[in-house]
Amino acid sequence: IVMTQSPATLSVSPGDRATLSCRASQSVRNKLAWYQQKPGQAPRLLIYGTSTRATGIPARFSGSGSGTEFALTISSLQSEDFAVYYCQQYYNWYTFGQGTKLEIK
Amino acid sequence: EVQLVESGGGLIQPGGSLRLSCAASGFSVSDNYMSWVRQAPGKGLEWVSVVYITGSTYYADSVKGRFTVSRDNSKNTLYLQMNSLRAEDTAVYYCVRETDTSFFDYWGQGTLVTVSS
Repeated sequence: IVMTQSPATLSVSPGDRATLSCRASQSVRNKLAWYQQKPGQAPRLLIYGTSTRATGIPARFSGSGSGTEFALTISSLQSEDFAVYYCQQYYNWYTFGQGTKLEIK
Repeated sequence: EVQLVESGGGLIQPGGSLRLSCAASGFSVSDNYMSWVRQAPGKGLEWVSVVYITGSTYYADSVKGRFTVSRDNSKNTLYLQMNSLRAEDTAVYYCVRETDTSFFDYWGQGTLVTVSS
């Protein structure tokens, strides 16, 4: 299953809302996770099961979608949210999207 | 507290072998699915291998036949034996705990493997 994220880079101002997209080449049901990665760090789990926040993840992060179309929305961006975000399907083995870099506008 | 600490990375010539280790604490590797995920410099994430609770192992096509994942329950440690290394295996290798529904909830800090002559 091929995962395609868009856009590759998203420029957003602090305090604004960001929406990142992820498309699967075939249905992955709700077996979709999102990870955040900052430079020099390991990825961190944000969302699993399409919309369930992992432990300790702030409520400004939300996930939505089903089947082949998914989105990660970050409301009111904070400085610490600027990072690279990956989606991952775990319906049929494991594949990741190529990532979306969220940068400060 | 769950912790995963990888070691064993380094510079290796093409065709060489290397064994990565991942020392776990705060949980038992034998009670969890454990995976290796890698990230080439400046690139995205690629799943490499998994060992199930049963001991069954599975691999990405890109490493099948060259890499072997194993665990030592007495040491609570996961391993990745990498043989016949190629330049395209150059990456940071992460040890990852997998939940019973197959997403990755804890990641190690990673260890860099560089394959170059």
